[in-house]
Amino acid sequence: NAGVTQTPKFQVLKTGQSMTLQCAQDMNHEYMSWYRQDPGMGLRLIHYSVGAGITDQGEVPNGYNVSRSTTEDFPLRLLSAAPSQTSVYFCASRTSHSGPGKLFFGSGTQLSVL
Amino acid sequence: AQTVTQSQPEMSVQEAETVTLSCTYDTSESDYYLFWYKQPPSRQMILVIRQEAYKQQNATENRFSVNFQKAAKSFSLKISDSQLGDAAMYFCAYRSELRETSGSRLTFGEGTQLTVNP
Repeated sequence: NAGVTQTPKFQVLKTGQSMTLQCAQDMNHEYMSWYRQDPGMGLRLIHYSVGAGITDQGEVPNGYNVSRSTTEDFPLRLLSAAPSQTSVYFCASRTSHSGPGKLFFGSGTQLSVL
Repeated sequence: AQTVTQSQPEMSVQEAETVTLSCTYDTSESDYYLFWYKQPPSRQMILVIRQEAYKQQNATENRFSVNFQKAAKSFSLKISDSQLGDAAMYFCAYRSELRETSGSRLTFGEGTQLTVNP
């Protein structure tokens, strides 16, 4: 199994550009989520989904959109990139059948906004 | 809302020695899970150990063990016989168990960077 796959691994954007960070999992997991990691702040939840067609906001949702049209995919969209969105982004997934806390993480996307 | 605090931004330990990383959390809930994740320079997030709040017995995984003090809302990680490969950023994390929809939502601490000296 590939697990959780994130693309791209690195990206540089100019302020105002838009882009989509891709996340796909092949484990048929119901739950998926996006986190951002900033120095000294740990990981913070951006958006999450409990199943296809259902999404909700996390702790820091401003400037990001998500959709969940399939169980496998959970893309994160930056509509108009800002320097404050420079961060490392992680996608994670879990099934209710994998125990109390086994989150599967992708390898991360390092995003720089100039 | 729950919060998780790691008051040690950096820690160091000599190889083969023991080190303890601190974590405190704040919650009004009685049912929850606590985790320690390791993040090496590769950026991969690795689950080290987890603790169910309803269990009084502290979790252990080989050289890793926790000291879970529910009343004090404290959840420290002890690494015994430290190895060079233990060098990484360590994150403490909390997950509510009130609702099934909390399934992939974790609240993380700020992280502790652990250095292992040969």
